[in-house]
Amino acid sequence: NAGVTQTPKFQVLKTGQSMTLQCAQDMNHNSMYWYRQDPGMGLRLIYYSASEGTTDKGEVPNGYNVSRLNKREFSLRLESAAPSQTSVYFCASSVMGGDSFFYSNQPQHFGDGTRLSIL
Amino acid sequence: ILNVEQSPQSLHVQEGDSTNFTCSFPSSNFYALHWYRWETAKSPEALFVMTLNGDEKKKGRISATLNTKEGYSYLYIKGSQPEDSATYLCAPEKNTDKLIFGTGTRLQVFP
Repeated sequence: NAGVTQTPKFQVLKTGQSMTLQCAQDMNHNSMYWYRQDPGMGLRLIYYSASEGTTDKGEVPNGYNVSRLNKREFSLRLESAAPSQTSVYFCASSVMGGDSFFYSNQPQHFGDGTRLSIL
Repeated sequence: ILNVEQSPQSLHVQEGDSTNFTCSFPSSNFYALHWYRWETAKSPEALFVMTLNGDEKKKGRISATLNTKEGYSYLYIKGSQPEDSATYLCAPEKNTDKLIFGTGTRLQVFP
């Protein structure tokens, strides 16, 4: 059971470089999320997508863009990486959202994370 | 932005001890409260999603209670085992399907 798959697992970038973090889920979930985890802080929401074709900003969206390519895939792009974006990034999905009016209070399922270092 | 507080920040117990920790959150606009277990080098895994005041959920030796009127939830672990060592995260959910995570309680169980 793959669940939520993130690639790559590790990446080192130089300041100013760009890259895209990939996320795919095989659970037919409607909602997908990108979080970052920094020492001493809880998981903070960067962007989320409640259904294919929609995206919304979370708590810390600056410096990032996202694409909900289809129901399965939700990518996170850093256009010009900065050292402040060094973090561990988690993708998650949930059955909530879309037309799932009758699905309430469902948990989120997380990928294994991408450890990103920006020099 | 909700202010979510978890206490204690860290906890060290001996195998066999029972333990509990707290999640506090603003009670207004409450929709649900999530608990996650996060082992080192792994991804967070859902334990419970609770919605009703007075709700109590149980999974094996782990249980949780919810008070939505005063804005807190307790997580209990009975007879802690080394494999319970993890960070336990709580996250209230507003009616927007977004979670606000606390910083977690890091539990270490020594054999």
